[in-house]
Amino acid sequence: DAGITQSPRHKVTETGTPVTLRCHQTENHRYMYWYRQDPGHGLRLIHYSYGVKDTDKGEVSDGYSVSRSKTEDFLLTLESATSSQTSVYFCAISESSGGEAYEQYFGPGTRLTVT
Amino acid sequence: KNQVEQSPQSLIILEGKNCTLQCNYTVSPFSNLRWYKQDTGRGPVSLTIMTFSENTKSNGRYTATLDADTKQSSLHITASQLSDSASYICVVSAQQAGTALIFGKGTTLSVSS
Repeated sequence: DAGITQSPRHKVTETGTPVTLRCHQTENHRYMYWYRQDPGHGLRLIHYSYGVKDTDKGEVSDGYSVSRSKTEDFLLTLESATSSQTSVYFCAISESSGGEAYEQYFGPGTRLTVT
Repeated sequence: KNQVEQSPQSLIILEGKNCTLQCNYTVSPFSNLRWYKQDTGRGPVSLTIMTFSENTKSNGRYTATLDADTKQSSLHITASQLSDSASYICVVSAQQAGTALIFGKGTTLSVSS
């Protein structure tokens, strides 16, 4: 998985609790992304980062926040988890933006269940 | 609206047979098109990336084609193996930074012996 780890790999949490997912890379790539994958939908972008402390919203950013204090780490936080946020979350990295023909490498995913 | 449509939704073939998966897109301005393979419980893995000027690209038994005029792509799998059972995702990139990738919903391929 191209030097990308995600933690935790599985999590069950209750509605209303805060949750933080971590993505760690060893490739020194500039761009990092958080996606969610749900049945009946393609992968959807939540937030992305184009450098340390540089982040922007994606297609489905409501209810999520991110932070990137180091090149290698990108955190996704659900401030108050809801059942609609039950999903599989993927982190991805890339040397450049998707608008250029650079590979985007995906992590192994985190399965989050909100009860 | 930028969209990527894949067909069929699912497909079952016998080991050793060939198959072709389809992708139609309405992404503009077009930058590149990617095919990913996603095994159950794992992250997607890139098979090919094609830019506007490329109309065929191969990766082992996988051959992708691109017709930028008709906005269609196909992924042909030759001599299928059991390990080819996976979801195949077509992804189109627009010429803009950051949020440029538009994902199809995927075609689920099952190869049986």
